[in-house]
Amino acid sequence: AQTVTQSQPEMSVQEAETVTLSCTYDTSENNYYLFWYKQPPSRQMILVIRQEAYKQQNATENRFSVNFQKAAKSFSLKISDSQLGDTAMYFCAFMKHGGNNDMRFGAGTRLTVKP
Amino acid sequence: GAVVSQHPSRVICKSGTSVKIECRSLDFQATTMFWYRQFPKQSLMLMATSNEGSKATYEQGVEKDKFLINHASLTLSTLTVTSAHPEDSSFYICSARGSPTALNTEAFFGQGTRLTVV
Repeated sequence: AQTVTQSQPEMSVQEAETVTLSCTYDTSENNYYLFWYKQPPSRQMILVIRQEAYKQQNATENRFSVNFQKAAKSFSLKISDSQLGDTAMYFCAFMKHGGNNDMRFGAGTRLTVKP
Repeated sequence: GAVVSQHPSRVICKSGTSVKIECRSLDFQATTMFWYRQFPKQSLMLMATSNEGSKATYEQGVEKDKFLINHASLTLSTLTVTSAHPEDSSFYICSARGSPTALNTEAFFGQGTRLTVV
């Protein structure tokens, strides 16, 4: 079974600074997807960034980037130039490639951006 | 993009009654839908996986007779909480994976349903 671990229950960062959220996972699969989702107070799940395991290049989406270390099974999220609107719960998620496999989530990290 | 619509967003029901939550894919065919439950300040816990036209697969510890899932078409799955009790109060979220391949490399989420049983 796949497990996803987020070891930081809460994080805070000053506006305009950079913060990194940690995520590790355990799997015997070789081909899979990793995700970071943002859940604001509305509780709508918003996809932040996605990484395909077979791609060595780290994914980047504007101010959001990941550090994907496949051998170490690590998938951290870096948020640059933090904005007040980034305040939310962030979930790391794992999904096996192919078929109709489900998505498994970490416990989440509550990020607060301070003015 | 792929849109999943979940209704209702909030529902209050009396203990002992049943409540149905709908999850619709608006612009794609959802070959598989997933139902999650989220308690306050906790993560999403998978309850069950449903494929169109077949019985749902429930996670260990989830009562299939309590949480009835129907995936009768490629655009609609329903979760019915039967004989609801206060401990069933929670936030329920659906997600869907679809076809073609481009819609199968991630899951698309509904807005969630806050269920309160009184």
